[in-house]
Amino acid sequence: AAGVIQSPRHLIKEKRETATLKCYPIPRHDTVYWYQQGPGQDPQFLISFYEKMQSDKGSIPDRFSAQQFSDYHSELNMSSLELGDSALYFCASSVFIRGPDTQYFGPGTRLTVL
Amino acid sequence: DAKTTQPTSMDCAEGRAANLPCNHSTISGNEYVYWYRQIHSQGPQYIIHGLKNNETNEMASLIITEDRKSSTLILPHATLRDTAVYYCRLPLSGNTPLVFGKGTRLSVIA
Repeated sequence: AAGVIQSPRHLIKEKRETATLKCYPIPRHDTVYWYQQGPGQDPQFLISFYEKMQSDKGSIPDRFSAQQFSDYHSELNMSSLELGDSALYFCASSVFIRGPDTQYFGPGTRLTVL
Repeated sequence: DAKTTQPTSMDCAEGRAANLPCNHSTISGNEYVYWYRQIHSQGPQYIIHGLKNNETNEMASLIITEDRKSSTLILPHATLRDTAVYYCRLPLSGNTPLVFGKGTRLSVIA
């Protein structure tokens, strides 16, 4: 079965640079979530989109922005990178239905800021 | 999410059943119980969910008490690859962002 695809899998950037992470949800999934997981920490929710509109917002820094495109893929744009942004970034997708549904996570992008 | 309480850590011998408890005494009538797990540095993985009936799939079984105030995730024959942090969650809906933290770290021992 198709899974969530994230690219790149690994990314190394310098401080103050920008980075763009991409997420391709499972086909026919209309909701995308972004999570950040620092070293030794639990994943923290950043932001989510449903039908290309922001649906929930978590602890996303102002330096970060995200959007969902017409083909439902999403991009997380990160500017003025700081050392503390080094983390695993997970994308998850789901399909909005009335009743329970589950989130399916991608393998993550490991961002290292030097 | 409604509040859940899980043990911090558990050990299980390989090949034995792993029983992971979760207390959710403030659960409301329409809240589902979801279980996810995260193997080290991998993306969290959905395991199972249920409302009030016991559920079983290829990964695990979920036993929910009749009053719905607690549940148990059962991995019938734990393997070393089941070593992970297991999260019991009661999201408002399947589309609610997940709140991680304070799951059970299961160590399967050979």
